[in-house]
Amino acid sequence: DAKTTQPNSMESNEEEPVHLPCNHSTISGTDYIHWYRQLPSQGPEYVIHGLTSNVNNRMASLAIAEDRKSSTLILHRATLRDAAVYYCILSPFSGNTPLVFGKGTRLSVIA
Amino acid sequence: NAGVTQTPKFQVLKTGQSMTLQCAQDMNHEYMSWYRQDPGMGLRLIHYSVGAGITDQGEVPNGYNVSRSTTEDFPLRLLSAAPSQTSVYFCASSSPISHRNTIYFGEGSWLTVV
Repeated sequence: DAKTTQPNSMESNEEEPVHLPCNHSTISGTDYIHWYRQLPSQGPEYVIHGLTSNVNNRMASLAIAEDRKSSTLILHRATLRDAAVYYCILSPFSGNTPLVFGKGTRLSVIA
Repeated sequence: NAGVTQTPKFQVLKTGQSMTLQCAQDMNHEYMSWYRQDPGMGLRLIHYSVGAGITDQGEVPNGYNVSRSTTEDFPLRLLSAAPSQTSVYFCASSSPISHRNTIYFGEGSWLTVV
């Protein structure tokens, strides 16, 4: 299975943009890139996903490298509520393969 | 719309006791799964199901049983609890439509085995 590599932790100041990197050098052509986040004492929640093109939604933006071997989750203005563990996951097209979570990146937001 | 509901939220067991963690979803999702999360760690897949009557093992299935008699319910059974099973358990569901596979998680069940 293709795996992802993320920094263990990152820190950001409130109201500033945050770029969370993810490397997935063994990604296959049919793997989608998903991002989830887990707030303290809660279950993970979906953030965004994409295949090749950059994606935007109300929560974040996803920038995907042209060779698809890396991606970046962008939080445009970090708030204290964005402090969480962020997981970058590859999901095969079929949709029936369970998602495998790594340790993710723990984001701390400083007021 | 309740989403994914897990019960109980907290449970303390003695070593050797058995119990069932309940999971129900009201979104008519075919796909359901159980994860465990130990302190400071990511989620590890225990068992999953792609539909009623179908289950399969994940990364860490030993010590756990599951069944899927209905689309809505996916209980996780611990037949003889061990301290190593102290963890937070998350149930999840999704509709396996191509890449969308957006997973919805329950709020978690905190289990302590003493």
